[in-house]
Amino acid sequence: GAVVSQHPSWVICKSGTSVKIECRSLDFQATTMFWYRQFPKQSLMLMATSNEGSKATYEQGVEKDKFLINHASLTLSTLTVTSAHPEDSSFYICSASGGRRGEQYFGPGTRLTVT
Amino acid sequence: QQQVKQSPQSLTVQKGGISIINCAYENTAFDYFPWYQQFPGKGPALLIAIRPDVSEKKEGRFTISFNKSAKQFSLHIMDSQPGDSATYFCAARQMDSSYKLIFGSGTRLLVRP
Repeated sequence: GAVVSQHPSWVICKSGTSVKIECRSLDFQATTMFWYRQFPKQSLMLMATSNEGSKATYEQGVEKDKFLINHASLTLSTLTVTSAHPEDSSFYICSASGGRRGEQYFGPGTRLTVT
Repeated sequence: QQQVKQSPQSLTVQKGGISIINCAYENTAFDYFPWYQQFPGKGPALLIAIRPDVSEKKEGRFTISFNKSAKQFSLHIMDSQPGDSATYFCAARQMDSSYKLIFGSGTRLLVRP
């Protein structure tokens, strides 16, 4: 149980284009989803928290107009990187939380490379 | 500012040895302390977790020791295996409705055969 998937697993895009990453909870309803980014050999950095049906809450320093998050249902959240630049290249990981205990289960990550 | 400090940054042990990773937190408003294991190119996987009302939790070869007064907790991996070679992150969950996790900086563990 508690499986979270991400799609795509890796993506290469050109500078200036937008990329959408999907995060799905496969066997539970996720009332809250989190988006992280991770640079090589570094820890996870929380970008934003999203609750189903409401606007995402962004961490300080994260541009909400650049990183668009939609949590349209209890099993799906999307992160859209708009007007991507090479410095946006990173490993993006989502996690989903549901139920009383609030444990977070992580997706496999999406490797974004912007050329 | 970093609220969860993790050490060591890297650790090498021989197969069969004990791996010990330590974390300390600075904020008492945490209610849950998980450990995650991450392999290269993969997302973190929940390994074991503990709540502050318990001093120790064991699951197979993995044990968490928790010292509430010292605000410290540690992961012990007994009989370490080469397959345990990965990066380990401790975390602390904020005791509010956000359920945010604050992560440590990570420990790269290498278990030599």
